[in-house]
Parts: sequence; C-alpha cells; structure tokens
Amino acid sequence: NAGVTQTPKFQVLKTGQSMTLQCAQDMNHEYMSWYRQDPGMGLRLIHYSVGAGITDQGEVPNGYNVSRSTTEDFPLRLLSAAPSQTSVYFCASSYGGIGSYEQYFGPGTRLTVT
Amino acid sequence: QQQVKQSPQSLIVQKGGISIINCAYENTAFDYFPWYQQFPGKGPALLIAIRPDVSEKKEGRFTISFNKSAKQFSLHIMDSQPGDSATYFCAANWAGGGADGLTFGKGTHLIIQP
Repeated sequence: NAGVTQTPKFQVLKTGQSMTLQCAQDMNHEYMSWYRQDPGMGLRLIHYSVGAGITDQGEVPNGYNVSRSTTEDFPLRLLSAAPSQTSVYFCASSYGGIGSYEQYFGPGTRLTVT
Repeated sequence: QQQVKQSPQSLIVQKGGISIINCAYENTAFDYFPWYQQFPGKGPALLIAIRPDVSEKKEGRFTISFNKSAKQFSLHIMDSQPGDSATYFCAANWAGGGADGLTFGKGTHLIIQP
C-alpha cells in the first residue's frame, strides 16, 4: 500500500493563479480531509469528505474548493492564489470519523504564493 | 477560539531525560485524545491515543497521563533519544462533533540533545 500520496511536493504560484493539489489514498478509507499547517498555528482543517460525492467545509475554507468523485481521490483547488495561502498542505484519510479514528497523513505539499 | 491549548511551544531535553508536553481543553464533550508526531518534511503520524475512561496509557517509552477533572492531558517521553526530536501535536475530538470534530493544539518542537 502506498497509503496517502500527494502531488506536487513543492509549488510556487503567482498571485491570482489557480492550481489543484492532488491527493489519493489506496486504503479504501471513506473519510478524507485537507489541512494547512502554518508556523505556530498547528493543523487547521480546510475541507473534508465523508464519502464520494459528499464534502463539507472545515475551519478555514475560504479560497479553496474540493470535490470527491471517487473514494480514492480528493483534490484541493485554489481558485485565485493569494500570499496568505502560502503554507504546507496535508491530505489525510481515515477509516471512520475524522476524530475518533487514526488519521493517515500524506507527505505534504509546500506552496509558496508570490 | 482555541479549544486545545498546548505547551510549551518548544522544548530542549538532554538525551536520557524525560520530555513532558502538556495540553488543556475546555470542551467536556471531548472523548478521544490522540498525540501525533511529525518529523521535518513529513506528515504527522499517530503516536498514541487515550480515551477518558482511563487515566494513563503507556506504549513503550511514551505515556499519556489524563486528568479528567482538570481537563488536562500530557505526553511523557521517558529516556528521550535524539531520534525523538520532532514536532508533537495533541488533539481532541468529541463523538458528537461530526466528521470535522478533531481539534489540534499548536504543536511543540522537541529537541533532544545528545
């Protein structure tokens, strides 16, 4: 099992550009989520999904879109990048509810917006 | 509103010493308390977790102590080793919080000096 994979590992964008961060898992987990990690801020939930076709907003959803067409994939779209979106992004999956079951994190995508 | 407060922000411990990281919470509905360990350039990984029906859980050199009345829990790393140098996040969740119920502390950067 590859677990949770993310691409790309690094990305530099100019303000206003759009892009999609890819996330895939091969553990047949129903729950998937996206977090951003900023220095001194911990991990903050952006969006999450409880199954294919079902998504919802987390703590910091503004400026991001998600969709879940398959169990395996959960891409995160930045519509119009802003410097405030410079961060490290982690995708995670879990067998059950995000809180009560172990979350498996991907290796992260480091995004810089200039 | 920060629901889980973690301290200290950074910690330096000599090899062989005991590392202690503390977390406090407000929401008495929280019922699952995991600790995640993150090495530089990697995603967080579950280290150990506890539920409030026990006051302590030990796995190898890692122990969670839980004080329900004080709404506090802590991670103790015995015989700390340089390989334990990482960032540690406490978290809390409540079953009624839905799929987005997991709240992370802001993290502790632990350095074990040889």
